[in-house]
Amino acid sequence: KNEVEQSPQNLTAQEGEFITINCSYSVGISALHWLQQHPGGGIVSLFMLSSGKKKHGRLIATINIQEKHSSLHITASHPRDSAVYICAVISNFGNEKLTFGTGTRLTIIP
Amino acid sequence: EPEVTQTPSHQVTQMGQEVILRCVPISNHLYFYWYRQILGQKVEFLVSFYNNEISEKSEIFDDQFSVERPDGSNFTLKIRSTKLEDSAMYFCASSAMYEQYFGPGTRLTVT
Repeated sequence: KNEVEQSPQNLTAQEGEFITINCSYSVGISALHWLQQHPGGGIVSLFMLSSGKKKHGRLIATINIQEKHSSLHITASHPRDSAVYICAVISNFGNEKLTFGTGTRLTIIP
Repeated sequence: EPEVTQTPSHQVTQMGQEVILRCVPISNHLYFYWYRQILGQKVEFLVSFYNNEISEKSEIFDDQFSVERPDGSNFTLKIRSTKLEDSAMYFCASSAMYEQYFGPGTRLTVT
């Protein structure tokens, strides 16, 4: 069974701090998504990656396939970054369904 | 930029009633998914659909659930006889390959 674990579950930081959210998974994967969910409930895809590192603005995602681990970093955090960040993976077997982590609730204080 | 749309945004229904949730995937996508998220819990996979048939379904997706692609654009999730525990946010997603694009969700409230 594919398990996706995220840490921390909750994170509160001051504006400007460097943020790291971690994701570990238990099976081989084809790809990993980092998703953002705002209080209204909608889900936005931030990154999809299967190796290495991707950067978009202040967001950086890395993945280590051998260690089955990914991190999402936010540089110069801002209150508008406050949201739930979710890691979700597509396993190597079966079809392309996503298996989701429980999410990390990030709060950035001005 | 193309996007996945869902209607309605919020549906309130009485227990035992049938509901149909609608999704319009991105037009050149071939894979379609329904997920749900019960309040305070993680998102769960319900069903995937490819080439006009179900490719995988979860344990949650029992005989009360069905999916259809009635025309070239819509993708629907039907719940035949709703239960209180069906109250959740339902997300549709579509993909061309691995990257999935999500709709804004339908919040279903069963009373």
